[in-house]
Amino acid sequence: TQLLEQSPQFLSIQEGENLTVYCNSSSVFSSLQWYRQEPGEGPVLLVTVVTGGEVKKLKRLTFQFGDARKDSSLHITAAQPGDTGLYLCAGDFYGNKLVFGAGTILRVKS
Amino acid sequence: KAGVTQTPRYLIKTRGQQVTLSCSPISGHRSVSWYQQTPGQGLQFLFEYFSETQRNKGNFPGRFSGRQFSNSRSEMNVSTLELGDSALYLCASSYKSGGEYEQYFGPGTRLTVT
Repeated sequence: TQLLEQSPQFLSIQEGENLTVYCNSSSVFSSLQWYRQEPGEGPVLLVTVVTGGEVKKLKRLTFQFGDARKDSSLHITAAQPGDTGLYLCAGDFYGNKLVFGAGTILRVKS
Repeated sequence: KAGVTQTPRYLIKTRGQQVTLSCSPISGHRSVSWYQQTPGQGLQFLFEYFSETQRNKGNFPGRFSGRQFSNSRSEMNVSTLELGDSALYLCASSYKSGGEYEQYFGPGTRLTVT
């Protein structure tokens, strides 16, 4: 069974602080996605990483894929209240099926 | 390009009833996946359809079933509803380009079983 462990489960920070969310597995992914979900809505795809060691930036968000393709991180610089939401990582284990982590609830206070 | 649409957005049913949820994927996407999301279990994969055939299936009882039509639209059915089936049901359409497999989610159907 492929499992994705996400940490932390919950994060409450002040506007302007930095944060990092982690996604780890004992299995190798062919690709990994990060999503953000707001209450009552479906997850929205933020980024896909494919190559080991890859780093992608999306404005204040930086996504990193581990060299061995078993882990990933999402770093947010100078968090804003609009970043509040549930962040989910999802790994594709070569089977055309995504396995999701449990998610990280982020709350940014102004 | 229109996104994934799901109908209805909200539904209230009674234990023992059955329910059918509908999903229209993004134009050109042939794969449709269904997920159940609850606070306790998170996002759990139900099944995936590709070209009208079920390609993958999660660990859910046989009360959960689905199908896909020739226009890629998909339906999901749950029979003999239980209280524990209350959840947000999400549909996602996807394509695979090179090494990337990306899914785009609809807004979900919030099912409440009383």
